[in-house]
Amino acid sequence: QLQLQESGPGLVKPSETLSLTCTVSGGSISSSNYYWAWIRQPPGKGLEWIGSISYSGNTFYSPSLKSRVTISFDTSKNHFSLRLSSVVVADTAVYYCARTIAAAAWDYWGQGTLVTVSS
Amino acid sequence: QSALTQPPSASGSPGQSVTISCTGTNSDVGGYNYVSWYQQHPGKAPKLMIYEVTKRPSGVPDRFSGSKSGNTASLTVSGLQSEDEADYYCASYAGSNNLGVFGGGTKLTVL
Repeated sequence: QLQLQESGPGLVKPSETLSLTCTVSGGSISSSNYYWAWIRQPPGKGLEWIGSISYSGNTFYSPSLKSRVTISFDTSKNHFSLRLSSVVVADTAVYYCARTIAAAAWDYWGQGTLVTVSS
Repeated sequence: QSALTQPPSASGSPGQSVTISCTGTNSDVGGYNYVSWYQQHPGKAPKLMIYEVTKRPSGVPDRFSGSKSGNTASLTVSGLQSEDEADYYCASYAGSNNLGVFGGGTKLTVL
């Protein structure tokens, strides 16, 4: 059974960089069938796709976040990572990692991790 | 403001059917057959219910069905059960530079 688990600091200061890791167990992130994604949800609000990385390392980012986002993976550790720079209070959200099985279709999700941006 | 438009709420009695709409544009919903639907219970991660407009992942009851006409996609829940009460989100592919746009979500209440 595939499992995803987000990890990283729960509190980040404004203007700093948010860094999260998603560790995948029960399957390989280098499998050619899947992309891997980050999605976030501000408290009490809707979902927002942040970006995705393909099995070959190609990256795709939300146009609204593109200038601040970097997604990468480490196949030796079977995890992929998110970096979001110059964070502001509006970046406060639950951040999820997920597996992509088709365009805009994410079938396995992590439990989510709340990141608060505050001084 | 979300890219896709959903009604904020919907409701139905147990056993009834309810349909939730998701309206986009020719650049997303209308342009591709890549619309998905997610169910989210409070404090939980979203769960994929429908993908590629009509496909159901393994384990999703056939009470859940999807369709699309033009720029509007729909999720129909038949035979409503109390456990169907949740928030529902639609999502669509919007081109190679935007792999996913979401609707604002619909809160489904089972009366």
